[in-house]
Amino acid sequence: EIVLTQSPATLSLSPGERATLSCRASQSLGNYLAWYQQKPGQAPRLFIYDASNRATGIPARFSGSGSGTDFTLTISSLEPEDFAVYYCQQRRDWPLTFGGGTKVEI
Amino acid sequence: EVQLLESGGGLVQPGGSLRLSCTASGFTFTNYVMAWVRQAPGKGLEWVSAIAETDGRLFYADSVKGRFTISRDNSRNILYLQLNSLKVEDTAVYYCTRRAQGWGFFDSWGQGTLVTVSS
Repeated sequence: EIVLTQSPATLSLSPGERATLSCRASQSLGNYLAWYQQKPGQAPRLFIYDASNRATGIPARFSGSGSGTDFTLTISSLEPEDFAVYYCQQRRDWPLTFGGGTKVEI
Repeated sequence: EVQLLESGGGLVQPGGSLRLSCTASGFTFTNYVMAWVRQAPGKGLEWVSAIAETDGRLFYADSVKGRFTISRDNSRNILYLQLNSLKVEDTAVYYCTRRAQGWGFFDSWGQGTLVTVSS
């Protein structure tokens, strides 16, 4: 099973600041990694797929990078609506696995 | 507009059974792999099971293999998850999801249905 380790667990920032979230895989994923955002009481939403592609409707302040085992989600300038939990997920192999999540809080 | 609407959750005793349903609309159901993802209270996301578009291929997480069965009715656009031999640790919100074409990521999610396993 491919293990995804996200860091940090919690990121405390202010609106306007830059957020950098990390996801490390236990084996190479190529670029088969996605990022999801989840707000309390809501279903997750796909934000980034195949490491660096923004999903439909996702603002340009969100960017993904990386390949192999190290991936990064960057939010260039935090807006109030960006405070949420972010999960990475791999589709390189079965079972599909998620990281433990990073909470971005004010 | 893509819509996934789950139903069938509820309270069940350990060892009991439940069947979840997900009614899909707004897209051609037979063109997509469908899956279930769950989230225990206050915890992260866990993929549970997936089913191919039309050829019957099934995939399960080890934690549910032999106890849960995924199926789909392509004539009615409904995805199912039969949950048997339920354990307390199966307590979670169960999300119906659609995988993007080409065995991609989960690009659409339902609102989830809560399954509580407790005596």
